[in-house]
Amino acid sequence: EVQLVESGGGVVRPGGSLRLSCAASGFTFDDYGMSWVRQAPGKGLEWVSGINWNGGSTGYADSVKGRFTISRDNAKNSLYLQMNSLRAEDTALYHCARDSYSSGWRYFDYWGQGTLVTVSS
Amino acid sequence: NFMLTQPHSVSESPGKTVTISCTRSSGSIASNYVQWYQQRPGSSPTTVIYEDNQRPSGVPDRFSGSIDSSSNSASLTISGLKTEDEADYYCQSYDSSNAVFGGGTQLTVL
Repeated sequence: EVQLVESGGGVVRPGGSLRLSCAASGFTFDDYGMSWVRQAPGKGLEWVSGINWNGGSTGYADSVKGRFTISRDNAKNSLYLQMNSLRAEDTALYHCARDSYSSGWRYFDYWGQGTLVTVSS
Repeated sequence: NFMLTQPHSVSESPGKTVTISCTRSSGSIASNYVQWYQQRPGSSPTTVIYEDNQRPSGVPDRFSGSIDSSSNSASLTISGLKTEDEADYYCQSYDSSNAVFGGGTQLTVL
């Protein structure tokens, strides 16, 4: 059974940093691209960032480019999102999602339950 | 970057058919596959249509997807509506550097 379990969320002040993690199991992790997708309270889905199967290709939404960094450790079956210079508008539930392809952000066939990030003073 | 525009909400009666549109702002709708996700309150999204018109196993054939190049849009059609279909629906596509979600459509079955 495919499982994606996010962790690392919490409350942080504007300008602060957080590192999210996603532990994957039930599939061959390095066969698939991965993404982070967020959902602000009461709002829609927003793709944040994606990474291909070996980490050689990454993509970012304009809203986070230059502030967030995605990475993965295939030996640990884990995906990460380093979030710096956080803003109030980054407050959201952050989901880890598997791309059904190796590229990173084409079609999300499995989703985690999410980890909540709140940016507030 | 392109955008995907969906109606904010639609409503229909049980047993009827509803269609949700998703219009791509620039570039051809046919250039990259479109997916549709269903999200019920408090739950993570699940796929109802992928690659324009493919259903994952377990999704009933009441759900169908299509694209229309003349209107540069994709559509999700749900026939024989059931109260359990009440949810938010999101279209999604991608290009070489981004994935893009539509703003979501709230489906009410009343």
